[in-house]
Amino acid sequence: AQKVTQAQTEISVVEKEDVTLDCVYETRDTTYYLFWYKQPPSGELVFLIRRNSFDEQNEISGRYSWNFQKSTSSFNFTITASQVVDSAVYFCALSGTSNTGNQFYFGTGTSLTVIP
Amino acid sequence: AAGVIQSPRHLIKEKRETATLKCYPIPRHDTVYWYQQGPGQDPQFLISFYEKMQSDKGSIPDRFSAQQFSDYHSELNMSSLELGDSALYFCASSLGLAVSYEQYFGPGTRLTVT
Repeated sequence: AQKVTQAQTEISVVEKEDVTLDCVYETRDTTYYLFWYKQPPSGELVFLIRRNSFDEQNEISGRYSWNFQKSTSSFNFTITASQVVDSAVYFCALSGTSNTGNQFYFGTGTSLTVIP
Repeated sequence: AAGVIQSPRHLIKEKRETATLKCYPIPRHDTVYWYQQGPGQDPQFLISFYEKMQSDKGSIPDRFSAQQFSDYHSELNMSSLELGDSALYFCASSLGLAVSYEQYFGPGTRLTVT
């Protein structure tokens, strides 16, 4: 079964602090894709990153970085020097395959509040 | 670049009414997915279509139906609306099932049932 767990429901940090959002996934597929999306109060889903299961290289994009570890089935997201504009709900997601359905499986989201 | 278009963006209906949500995929995309996101919840997969045929079915209520047309746009029809149907409905599209991991999401339609 495909499952994504985001244990942190809500996180509050003070501006300029670093924050890590956790994501743990379950899948029986050998090939799969993991995603992070940002959902601001306006509601749209903003794509942040996609990683495939064969690429465990960590990635950094500006203040954002991602740590993918297959050994622990985790795909954690770190925001460095957080800003108020980072306040949003962040979803981790796992894509299905033709065997498990091609839909996305989302975690329950982590609501991040950055306090000025 | 063209994105997924959803209309309307906001919709207010009363209980027991019907609603139709429309989704226009990215040009050349032949696969459409519908998701429902209740308040404070994560998006849940409803149904998908590939080349105008239903490809997968998730937790879509029997009161809902959907189809994909020859121009690949899709419509989600919702009847006998209930208060619990109030949600943000996302449509996503991809260029075929083989690359379903490249789903592009639309801005969503916010449905409010009163």
